[in-house]
Amino acid sequence: NAGVTQTPKFRILKIGQSMTLQCTQDMNHNYMYWYRQDPGMGLKLIYYSVGAGITDKGEVPNGYNVSRSTTEDFPLRLELAAPSQTSVYFCASSRSRGVQADYGYTFGSGTRLTVV
Amino acid sequence: QKEVEQNSGPLSVPEGAIASLNCTYSDRGSQSFFWYRQYSGKSPELIMFIYSNGDKEDGRFTAQLNKASQYVSLLIRDSQPSDSATYLCAVTPPNNDMRFGAGTRLTVKP
Repeated sequence: NAGVTQTPKFRILKIGQSMTLQCTQDMNHNYMYWYRQDPGMGLKLIYYSVGAGITDKGEVPNGYNVSRSTTEDFPLRLELAAPSQTSVYFCASSRSRGVQADYGYTFGSGTRLTVV
Repeated sequence: QKEVEQNSGPLSVPEGAIASLNCTYSDRGSQSFFWYRQYSGKSPELIMFIYSNGDKEDGRFTAQLNKASQYVSLLIRDSQPSDSATYLCAVTPPNNDMRFGAGTRLTVKP
């Protein structure tokens, strides 16, 4: 059971380039999330999805886009990369969301992105 | 005021001691509280969750919740060098997704 798989693990982008961070989960979770983690700043929610075809913005969505065509996949698209997008990106999934029941997030291994 | 605040540390304790990690949150309506452990260069992993006031124990870990004081803590008994990591407090405010603190870095010295 792989859990949440993210690719790539590392990437260097030039300013203005675009890329897609891939995320796949095999736990049949409806809920998926993209976070970025900057030093000393904690995890910030970029986008989330409550099921195939349904996505919504989190705290810091500017400069990013997502899609959710299947339950398993939740790719994050960076358009026109900027130095401010240098960060570590984590994809996560969960069985439930909010305060409905006990749950935790299962995180992928992360993508370390540098924009130069 | 940050939604979830933690002392960034580093917190250093000797092996075998009790490590005490603290967290405060701003939204009084928050109902779910979590502790994640994150080793350097790795992803966060859930180690404890708590919903009710009081203590919840799981092995060497005890989570404590005081909703009146908006305070959550994590105690690690018999600390081991393998416990050295950053510990993230996370809170679920009403009608919102999980909010994370910046984390407390713990070092357990042999």
